[in-house]
Amino acid sequence: AQRVTQPEKLLSVFKGAPVELKCNYSYSGSPELFWYVQYSRQRLQLLLRHISRESIKGFTADLNKGETSFHLKKPFAQEEDSAMYYCALRRGNYKLTFGKGTLLTVNP
Amino acid sequence: DVKVTQSSRYLVKRTGEKVFLECVQDMDHENMFWYRQDPGLGLRLIYFSYDVKMKEKGDIPEGYSVSREKKERFSLILESASTNQTSMYLCASFQGGPGNTEAFFGQGTRLTVV
Repeated sequence: AQRVTQPEKLLSVFKGAPVELKCNYSYSGSPELFWYVQYSRQRLQLLLRHISRESIKGFTADLNKGETSFHLKKPFAQEEDSAMYYCALRRGNYKLTFGKGTLLTVNP
Repeated sequence: DVKVTQSSRYLVKRTGEKVFLECVQDMDHENMFWYRQDPGLGLRLIYFSYDVKMKEKGDIPEGYSVSREKKERFSLILESASTNQTSMYLCASFQGGPGNTEAFFGQGTRLTVV
């Protein structure tokens, strides 16, 4: 069965501190992994995807197939990063499975 | 910009009512989805559709049905609403294929069943 696990429901850091949001997955095939973000009162939107190997808003995520992880990292958190973050896995052509989400709070 | 529009932001319905949630996308996407979003449970897939009149059950289809008569419109139907279906419902679409893997979400419909 495909599964996405985000072990932390809540994560609180201070501005300027490094932040890491954890994501582990289980999937027998070749996964396609994403991070989606939902800011307060906004719709859910794509933050980044593993195939692009890009950095968005200072965030990066590396797919580690050995550890089946796709952790999201940022070296210096900003207050505007406060949001709900969801890790997601696409299986096959269509289905997009989400983790339960991590609420990140960046304190001033 | 892709637009995914859900017909209502807030709905209040009575137990036993038949409820229709509508979603329209304007980018000719093949694939459309309905999720429900609950605190502590994340997003759970109810149904998805990969073409007109085609549908597949997601992870929690019980108590729901869907309709996709036109490519741009995907409707979620609660046959007989119950209080445990009180939730935020999110519609999404994406095109699929190489380089087209981003899902676009609607603003959500908060449904309260009383």
